[in-house]
Amino acid sequence: DQQVKQNSPSLSVQEGRISILNCDYTNSMFDYFLWYKKYPAEGPTFLISISSIKDKNEDGRFTVFLNKSAKHLSLHIVPSQPGDSAVYFCAASARGAGGTSYGKLTFGQGTILTVHP
Amino acid sequence: KAGVTQTPRYLIKTRGQQVTLSCSPISGHRSVSWYQQTPGQGLQFLFEYFSETQRNKGNFPGRFSGRQFSNSRSEMNVSTLELGDSALYLCASSPLAGGAGELFFGEGSRLTVL
Repeated sequence: DQQVKQNSPSLSVQEGRISILNCDYTNSMFDYFLWYKKYPAEGPTFLISISSIKDKNEDGRFTVFLNKSAKHLSLHIVPSQPGDSAVYFCAASARGAGGTSYGKLTFGQGTILTVHP
Repeated sequence: KAGVTQTPRYLIKTRGQQVTLSCSPISGHRSVSWYQQTPGQGLQFLFEYFSETQRNKGNFPGRFSGRQFSNSRSEMNVSTLELGDSALYLCASSPLAGGAGELFFGEGSRLTVL
């Protein structure tokens, strides 16, 4: 039962253009969402997060959009740079009011982003 | 500030053996979580520890266990290793309070079971 899905295994984008990575989830208990970037032989690196009380969060070139009714979130990278080439993971957690599930993330399968110069 | 440190980085074991992996969280972080990454299953949650207590556990057999010490360092153990246990084991720490609520991951321990 895959509760977090990234349906695009890969995405190829030209440098300077926008990269849009998508993620869908099924568990309505999820209330916190994160994006991670991962290079080979390294651990995932946190990029940006969003709480379910918001629909948008922006940090520099990275913006995450959340559509709760559609159970869908997306990560926009503008402008894309060759150094952004990596595997991007969407993750979700059900923190609730008690905040007892900070460490338990459910990850998608990842999307390989390639940014061409 | 030093990041999350995992040891060993690489190890090879044979079926039936056991293995212990170690994780030192970022100084001041009290929550430690463990994840298994395999090509077929992606990143899967193993367990989370906070103040030496297991708070959450994923869907893994009892052969997978862990513990946390009073200095927040954590270990995970896999007994009676199977070929399917070959994976990258990632440890992550979190301060719980403040920040964006993210987990900080180590570089992982690559386990190969022959």
